[in-house]
Amino acid sequence: GAGVSQSPSNKVTEKGKDVELRCDPISGHTALYWYRQRLGQGLEFLIYFQGNSAPDKSGLPSDRFSAERTGESVSTLTIQRTQQEDSAVYLCASSRKQGPDTQYFGPGTRLTVL
Amino acid sequence: AQSVTQLGSHVSVSEGALVLLRCNYSSSVPPYLFWYVQYPNQGLQLLLKYTTGATLVKGINGFEAEFKKSETSFHLTKPSAHMSDAAEYFCAVNRAAGNKLTFGGGTRVLVKP
Repeated sequence: GAGVSQSPSNKVTEKGKDVELRCDPISGHTALYWYRQRLGQGLEFLIYFQGNSAPDKSGLPSDRFSAERTGESVSTLTIQRTQQEDSAVYLCASSRKQGPDTQYFGPGTRLTVL
Repeated sequence: AQSVTQLGSHVSVSEGALVLLRCNYSSSVPPYLFWYVQYPNQGLQLLLKYTTGATLVKGINGFEAEFKKSETSFHLTKPSAHMSDAAEYFCAVNRAAGNKLTFGGGTRVLVKP
């Protein structure tokens, strides 16, 4: 079946612009996660959704970052007033249920802030 | 708080040689442990995971890992490296009652012919 998809695959923007990143989870997966992977570093957790609520937003680095999810479907991660340090690959993952279930990752969106 | 340490950001092995990637974790509760692989310009793919039960876990592509609670380790091995194993490997931990994965810094594997 279809895996996790993300769009766009690449995004180049100018400092100060807003960007929206989209994630389509695997159908039927109730849990959705956003992670960030900066160059040469491991993955950092950003936010987790169970359904359309976000029980854990602890990884969002600043109030410029926000995310929402429609039901148990699409999620968007919005970064306002982008900064150069926001440049990274943003990865989305989904799992069948909350808890330590296997997370399936999308291919990521590579964001470059000039 | 949880943390994951992967020893060695880069590992070079000869084709046919043993692959050994080290992972140590700290967790205040029994963890669930994962190894993911990331091929160039692709997302992460699960290699194997430990939740409960047998401490030696077998995964895809001939990889296996052993959970050693006394050593807080979950090292990944493959007896014989193949050129297609060249990728970056991430160890991750998830608390039994939690959701987010905490990742190590990753180990990039280069396979020499």
